Amino acid sequence: EAGVVQSPRYKIIEKKQPVAFWCNPISGHNTLYWYLQNLGQGPELLIRYENEEAVDDSQLPKDRFSAERLKGVDSTLKIQPAELGDSAVYLCASSLAPQSIQYFGAGTRLSVL
Amino acid sequence: GQQLNQSPQSMFIQEGEDVSMNCTSSSIFNTWLWYKQDPGEGPVLLIALYKAGELTSNGRLTAQFGITRKDSFLNISASIPSDVGIYFCAGSAGYSTLTFGKGTMLLVSP
Repeated sequence: EAGVVQSPRYKIIEKKQPVAFWCNPISGHNTLYWYLQNLGQGPELLIRYENEEAVDDSQLPKDRFSAERLKGVDSTLKIQPAELGDSAVYLCASSLAPQSIQYFGAGTRLSVL
Repeated sequence: GQQLNQSPQSMFIQEGEDVSMNCTSSSIFNTWLWYKQDPGEGPVLLIALYKAGELTSNGRLTAQFGITRKDSFLNISASIPSDVGIYFCAGSAGYSTLTFGKGTMLLVSP
């Protein structure tokens, strides 16, 4: 069974440019999470979806970040415009149900120059 | 955002040695998880703990859910080079949101 798939694995952009990350969760997993991981830190939740509904987006910087999960399966996280401080690893995770074990993808490493 | 207190921050040991690391929180958790993250990869679940006082093993790894529900411990016995990586604790108060520690970087010398 395939795990959580994220693309791209790496992205280098100039500041003020837009960028998008894609995540395909494990088949059948209703809950999807986007995390931000800064260097030397643990992951921090940005947004959590249950099916297509964003049930916790309190930590998402809504002035520049947006996310969608239109059909309740794969999801896209967007940053527009990107800032230097956005350089980090963006992790996607999924779980069968809201309180089930979370399985992580390999992440997208973003460098903003 | 909030992060758990995880220690030590890093460890450099000889192959064959045992390793202990711990995690503490100011809040009570209902679930404690331990993940390992290799360079360039996402965290992989090692052990999940669901009850205060629970002691669970996974091969050479043993983890415990503290009685106070505010701490957890991970032990690795007879370390090997492939144990190298960053170990994260994570706690959940039961609403699916995980709070992570800052990680313990483990280096093992052959």
